[in-house]
Amino acid sequence: QKEVEQNSGPLSVPEGAIASLNCTYSDRGSQSFFWYRQYSGKSPELIMSIYSNGDKEDGRFTAQLNKASQYVSLLIRDSQPSDSATYLCAVNKGTGGFKTIFGAGTRLFVKA
Amino acid sequence: DTGVSQNPRHKITKRGQNVTFRCDPISEHNRLYWYRQTLGQGPEFLTYFQNEAQLEKSRLLSDRFSAERPKGSFSTLEIQRTEQGDSAMYLCASSRQALYEQYFGPGTRLTVT
Repeated sequence: QKEVEQNSGPLSVPEGAIASLNCTYSDRGSQSFFWYRQYSGKSPELIMSIYSNGDKEDGRFTAQLNKASQYVSLLIRDSQPSDSATYLCAVNKGTGGFKTIFGAGTRLFVKA
Repeated sequence: DTGVSQNPRHKITKRGQNVTFRCDPISEHNRLYWYRQTLGQGPEFLTYFQNEAQLEKSRLLSDRFSAERPKGSFSTLEIQRTEQGDSAMYLCASSRQALYEQYFGPGTRLTVT
C-alpha cells in the first residue's frame, strides 16, 4: 500500500464545472495535509494546507479533511482551462518528523 | 520576498561524473528540503535541514548522495559517480519554523548520458 494514494486520472471536466480530487493516506499519525498544483515542466506550487477535520475554503478552492477515514479532497469550483495541471496531495508524517510524502498526482483537464 | 532559487537549471553529465547543485531558500526560512522527481511521480523526499543540521535522510538515498547546509543558508546536493538512474528533476523547498508549508524552487533537471 502506498503511503499517499491518488487516482492518476486524467480527470476531465468542462469549463465552469466543479472538479473533485481525492487522496487517501496510510499513516494515522499524520498531522498536516497539503495540495500542490504542478504545471508540465514546472515545480509544485502550494495551493492549500489543512490541519484539522472539516472544510477550508480559499477562493475557488476548498480542501476537505476526514482524519477518521484518512481522506483528503480538493474541490475546484468554476473550473477554468488554466486549472489544467497535475494536482499533488502531500502529507506530513506527524509529530516529531518533518518528512512530507507526496502522492503521484492527479492530472486534471478543463475543457473550454 | 524572493522565492527559492536553484542552480543550475539544467545539467547534462556523463555517467560516472560528480555533480553538485545549489539551493538558496527564502531568506527567513530556516527549514530546507531536497526532493527528486521523475516523470509521472510525485516528489520523493531525499533529505531535510533545520538551520545547518541535517535532521533526516531518506533510506532510499545511497552513499553517493550527500547534502550540506554549512551556514544555515544555502544548501548543496552532490551526487558522486552518477548513474543513468539518477536522471530526474531535483527540487529544493523551504519553510518557516513551526510551519510545514513548503515552497519549491524551479528545480534542476539532471540528465545522465
